[in-house]
Amino acid sequence: AQSVTQLGSHVSVSEGALVLLRCNYSSSVPPYLFWYVQYPNQGLQLLLKYTSAATLVKGINGFEAEFKKSETSFHLTKPSAHMSDAAEYFCAVIRSSGNTPLVFGKGTRLSVIA
Amino acid sequence: DAMVIQNPRYQVTQFGKPVTLSCSQTLNHNVMYWYQQKSSQAPKLLFHYYDKDFNNEADTPDNFQSRRPNTSFCFLDIRSPGLGDAAMYLCATSTSGGSYSEQFFGPGTRLTVL
Repeated sequence: AQSVTQLGSHVSVSEGALVLLRCNYSSSVPPYLFWYVQYPNQGLQLLLKYTSAATLVKGINGFEAEFKKSETSFHLTKPSAHMSDAAEYFCAVIRSSGNTPLVFGKGTRLSVIA
Repeated sequence: DAMVIQNPRYQVTQFGKPVTLSCSQTLNHNVMYWYQQKSSQAPKLLFHYYDKDFNNEADTPDNFQSRRPNTSFCFLDIRSPGLGDAAMYLCATSTSGGSYSEQFFGPGTRLTVL
């Protein structure tokens, strides 16, 4: 079964610095991968998704992620952190194949320091 | 705007007193999901519907039930809430067409059990 592992439960960066949130996947089939963001007391919002097209995926709010099969990774990056980026970020993968529920990583809390 | 709506946003109940959480959607999606998210944890799938076809996760307690009277509405019933059921409950929807399912989330209902 597919799964994702997020490295680092908490990441802290300075405003304007590079954001790097790590996600590794385990999948027996070509995966569909997602990054979601959750602000306090809100639902999850899709940032971007990988669906076997381009390996570099651009999302909303200046985020992007690169699918690297050789490293089984799908890390999320943003060149310059903004205070409004402070939130919880979840990596997710389709559970098996086709239209099946998502399996979420444990999440990474991003703090942005002024 | 098409969206997923959850009511109420905050629900307080007493130990053992049944409670119902509501989800509605204007996206006309045929798949609906209920997740439980405890503090600082990833969302955990409780069950989901493909149209009226109900799919229960193996580890979802019997205390949790769901109803989907029509495409637009889905309810989560907690028959006898315990202190351990205090959490954020997230509703999500998706379509079953295509090769993957992007999920759209509501804002969540935060349940407090006294």
